[in-house]
Amino acid sequence: DAGVIQSPRHEVTEMGQEVTLRCKPISGHDYLFWYRQTMMRGLELLIYFNNNVPIDDSGMPEDRFSAKMPNASFSTLKIQPSEPRDSAVYFCASSRSRGQYFGPGTRLLVL
Amino acid sequence: KNEVEQSPQNLTAQEGEFITINCSYSVGISALHWLQQHPGGGIVSLFMLSSGKKKHGRLIATINIQEKHSSLHITASHPRDSAVYICAAGRGYHDMRFGAGTRLTVKP
Repeated sequence: DAGVIQSPRHEVTEMGQEVTLRCKPISGHDYLFWYRQTMMRGLELLIYFNNNVPIDDSGMPEDRFSAKMPNASFSTLKIQPSEPRDSAVYFCASSRSRGQYFGPGTRLLVL
Repeated sequence: KNEVEQSPQNLTAQEGEFITINCSYSVGISALHWLQQHPGGGIVSLFMLSSGKKKHGRLIATINIQEKHSSLHITASHPRDSAVYICAAGRGYHDMRFGAGTRLTVKP
């Protein structure tokens, strides 16, 4: 298996622009997680899905952030409008039961 | 106070040394996770444990539920073990609260 796939790997955008991060989980995994990592706050869970249904989105920082999982093989995290404080590495991870497999991350820089 | 505290923040060791990283948590948990983040940024899940001890190669993870404390041990450390080790307390198996990480450098 190719593992968890994230795209793009790097994104540089200007404040106010819409940003869409993409994730393809490992086939057969029924849990999908979005995390954010910054120097100041470390790793934070943003949202997770089970069988494509959002279970807990309490970590989503504000209404500018939204996440969808239209099917078992694809999820998006959208930021609209983006702000400089959104600059971070965003990780997607998937799981079948116990333990999580992380993607390589998307490094986002908002200027 | 953070829900998950790790110590030390930074650790430098000589190759071959025995290493211990500590994690204390204040929340009730279903599982305690140890993650490894490589210098390139990739994250690997090392252990998930809810009691006792687990071993994988030179890595050993222990947990004391009563004391709300976990340790990660590395025996015969090697420069390739250099990474950031992150402890996470899972209030459910999937709801993780992360420590700030311990940056380990193993010198040859």
